[in-house]
Amino acid sequence: ETGVTQSPTHLIKTRGQQVTLRCSSQSGHNTVSWYQQALGQGPQFIFQYYREEENGRGNFPPRFSGLQFPNYSSELNVNALELDDSALYLCASSPGRLGETQYFGPGTRLLVL
Amino acid sequence: EDQVTQSPEALRLQEGESSSLNCSYTVSGLRGLFWYRQDPGKGPEFLFTLYSAGEEKEKERLKATLTKKESFLHITAPKPEDSATYLCAVTSGSRLTFGEGTQLTVNP
Repeated sequence: ETGVTQSPTHLIKTRGQQVTLRCSSQSGHNTVSWYQQALGQGPQFIFQYYREEENGRGNFPPRFSGLQFPNYSSELNVNALELDDSALYLCASSPGRLGETQYFGPGTRLLVL
Repeated sequence: EDQVTQSPEALRLQEGESSSLNCSYTVSGLRGLFWYRQDPGKGPEFLFTLYSAGEEKEKERLKATLTKKESFLHITAPKPEDSATYLCAVTSGSRLTFGEGTQLTVNP
């Protein structure tokens, strides 16, 4: 059984640009969640997708958007990047929706200059 | 709104010196409490899931316990390789709410 993978590992962008981060969930996991982790803080929930539909959203503006595909892959898109968007972006997958263990990928480190 | 507070923020131990990390939480209907280990620049690594008060789980030198208001991660005879940030998270639905973590350093 393969784990959760993310690409790219590191990314540098300039303010105002757009970025797409990718995640491949564990096979059989229908739920993918995305988190933002600033340095020295705990991860913050961005949103979750269950079977390709959004299943909850945290306190993030609409310029953060996502997609989930039938092949267990997903994307996080961020438009109009701001300096404060610099963080480690984590995706996590789980078999179902409620109360199940979420397994995290290695993360994508985004730096916005 | 779910809330998690972890203490201490940082803990420095000598190899073999046992201790405990605390996770206090408020949640409307706990569906799960999770402990993760995170090494610098990497994603959180799953350790334990606890679902109800009184539950305990063990893995090597780690033991997690749960009450109605808090959870403890007990570390017995730690080794330098146990150095990491330990994160606690709760869920009342689908999203995880994390604490800020406890940064553990174990000196040889």
